[in-house]
Amino acid sequence: AQSVAQPEDQVNVAEGNPLTVKCTYSVSGNPYLFWYVQYPNRGLQFLLKYITGDNLVKGSYGFEAEFNKSQTSFHLKKPSALVSDSALYFCAVRGQYNTDKLIFGTGTRLQVFP
Amino acid sequence: SQTIHQWPATLVQPVGSPLSLECTVEGTSNPNLYWYRQAAGRGLQLLFYSVGIGQISSEVPQNLSASRPQDRQFILSSKKLLLSDSGFYLCAWKYKAGTGGNEQYFGPGTRLTVT
Repeated sequence: AQSVAQPEDQVNVAEGNPLTVKCTYSVSGNPYLFWYVQYPNRGLQFLLKYITGDNLVKGSYGFEAEFNKSQTSFHLKKPSALVSDSALYFCAVRGQYNTDKLIFGTGTRLQVFP
Repeated sequence: SQTIHQWPATLVQPVGSPLSLECTVEGTSNPNLYWYRQAAGRGLQLLFYSVGIGQISSEVPQNLSASRPQDRQFILSSKKLLLSDSGFYLCAWKYKAGTGGNEQYFGPGTRLTVT
């Protein structure tokens, strides 16, 4: 079955340190993968996507993600965290049987401490 | 550029009252449209999606319904609200397959509290 897992409910990191938010997926064939960010009481904002090509994808606000096919992972990264990066992050994969739909992970809350 | 609007931003309704939430998209035509519910500030539940006017796919059986009377308008309704309908409702749009990216773009959301 197709699915997305975000194994960490919360990630804490000090400002200036690198951050990683983990995502693994389960889908047959080539996955279309996405990261979104949600600030309190706001809609989701699209950060980046992997469709094909270079395994390292760069997105908005200095975020990047690395696609690893052998580990079926798509971890979100940033070299130097900001307090303003504190938010809820969602990983998603395009539906395998219905490509009009996205399957979302349960979300990871990122807390960046000053 | 494309813009997605939702209103109202917040809503407090008594149990048993009707509901109508509206979503409109500007700057694109013939988009796919989606309604999600987010409970407790966490996971997203897809409620309905539409690939065209009058075409609605329901994902979860419930007392909610959706309609798409115009190309860029998507409405979420209920005849009688339940306490369990409380949540944050998000509308999203996406280009048709083959005409743009695969990502969905979300509106600002409506916070519904049923009392």
